[in-house]
Amino acid sequence: KAGVTQTPRYLIKTRGQQVTLSCSPISGHRSVSWYQQTPGQGLQFLFEYFSETQRNKGNFPGRFSGRQFSNSRSEMNVSTLELGDSALYLCASCGQKNTEAFFGQGTRLTVV
Amino acid sequence: GNSVTQMEGPVTLSEEAFLTINCTYTATGYPSLFWYVQYPGEGLQLLLKATKADDKGSNKGFEATYRKETTSFHLEKGSVQVSDSAVYFCALSDPTYNFNKFYFGSGTKLNVKP
Repeated sequence: KAGVTQTPRYLIKTRGQQVTLSCSPISGHRSVSWYQQTPGQGLQFLFEYFSETQRNKGNFPGRFSGRQFSNSRSEMNVSTLELGDSALYLCASCGQKNTEAFFGQGTRLTVV
Repeated sequence: GNSVTQMEGPVTLSEEAFLTINCTYTATGYPSLFWYVQYPGEGLQLLLKATKADDKGSNKGFEATYRKETTSFHLEKGSVQVSDSAVYFCALSDPTYNFNKFYFGSGTKLNVKP
C-alpha cells in the first residue's frame, strides 16, 4: 500500500509569488489535513478536507487556501508569499474508521 | 480547549540509558493520544497510540500509558540506541469530531551518544 505522497519535496519562491503544494493520500482515505511546521511555532493545523469539503480550518490568514478533488488528492495554495511562510508543510491522510493519521514526507518551502 | 505540553529538549543520553519524555494534555472531550517521531528531513511517523484511559501503547521498545487522572502520556524506553536519535512529538486528537485534526506538543529532540 503506497503511503502519503507530497510533491514537490522542495520549493524556493520569491516574496509576493504564489505556490501550490500537492498531497496524494493513501488509497481509500478520504480525509486530508495540512500542517505548517516551523522552528518557532512548531506544528500548526492549517485545514482539513473530507470528500471535497473543508471540515476544519486553523487560524491562518486567507492567503492560505486548499481544495480536495474527487479522487481525494488535495492541494494547498499560498498567495502573496511572505518570508515567514518558509516552513515544512505536511499533509496527513486518515481513513474513515482509522484511529490514526499517516503523514507524508512534507514539502520544504523557502521564500527568499 | 485542546493543547499538549511536553518537556523541552534537547535530551542527551548515552546508549542503553533509560528514556522518559513527559507529556501532559488538556482536552475538552475524550481524546486519543499519540507519539510521533520525526527523523531529520522527514515527515512524521506514528510511534504509538492509545485511544482510551489506561490503555498502554507500545512499539519498538517504546511505551506510553494514557493516564486520565494525571492527564499524562509520558513516553518511556528502557534502553535507547543511537538510532533513536530524533524529534518526538506528543499529540492528541478528538475523535468526537474526527481523527485527522491533531494538536501537537512542541517536540523534544533526543540525542543518543554511543
